[in-house]
Amino acid sequence: QMQLQESGPGLVKPSETLSLTCAVLGGSISSGNWWSWVRQSPGKGLEWIGEIYQSGSTNYNPSLKSRVSMSVDKSKNQFSLRLSSLTAADTAVYYCARELKNIPYYFDSWGLGTLVTVSS
Amino acid sequence: DIQLTQSPSFLSASVGDRVTVTCRASQGISNYLAWYQLKPGEAPQLLIYAASTLQTGVPSRFSGSGSGTEFTLTISGLQPEDIATYYCQQLSSYPRLFTFGPGTKVEIK
Repeated sequence: QMQLQESGPGLVKPSETLSLTCAVLGGSISSGNWWSWVRQSPGKGLEWIGEIYQSGSTNYNPSLKSRVSMSVDKSKNQFSLRLSSLTAADTAVYYCARELKNIPYYFDSWGLGTLVTVSS
Repeated sequence: DIQLTQSPSFLSASVGDRVTVTCRASQGISNYLAWYQLKPGEAPQLLIYAASTLQTGVPSRFSGSGSGTEFTLTISGLQPEDIATYYCQQLSSYPRLFTFGPGTKVEIK
């Protein structure tokens, strides 16, 4: 069964850039699915950050678009998120997720999430 | 942008109760709605998609209904393991943007 595993720094300073990676375990990044990042700030709801396809095509949340970039590394079977100009408002649990194949409107598999704290 | 609201934001019910959570969209979204279960320390789980399709492996006590602007998630016979926060989610196509409801926290009375 495919699993997703997020990794990255737990603590980042304000104004710096966050880099997170999501490893696709027991499956392939080239499976024809779209892959997304979603975050949940403390005590708040879920916010979609963006998505990427195996080809490198991306779509980003307009509210974050100026600070976000995503990439795919097929050789490592993983995809990545970069979020720049961090502030305390970016403190959140960051999840990677897979969108349903052929129905890319929903997320059928998620990672456990990784907590990122933005603080000096 | 399409906004999703959920009611109630919190509910407390007894084991075995029938529980209903409502999600409302600010404009019609046909049946393009999903429900997720989030538990602390666990990966979120897709329960229902396309408003009423049960995801593989999800217990049959979970069901979804609705279309247009009003949707419901029903748990027929609440179990202790159902303690979680439930979120609805939809996708807008132009621009492509996924949005979630604010969540409903379910506890056992």
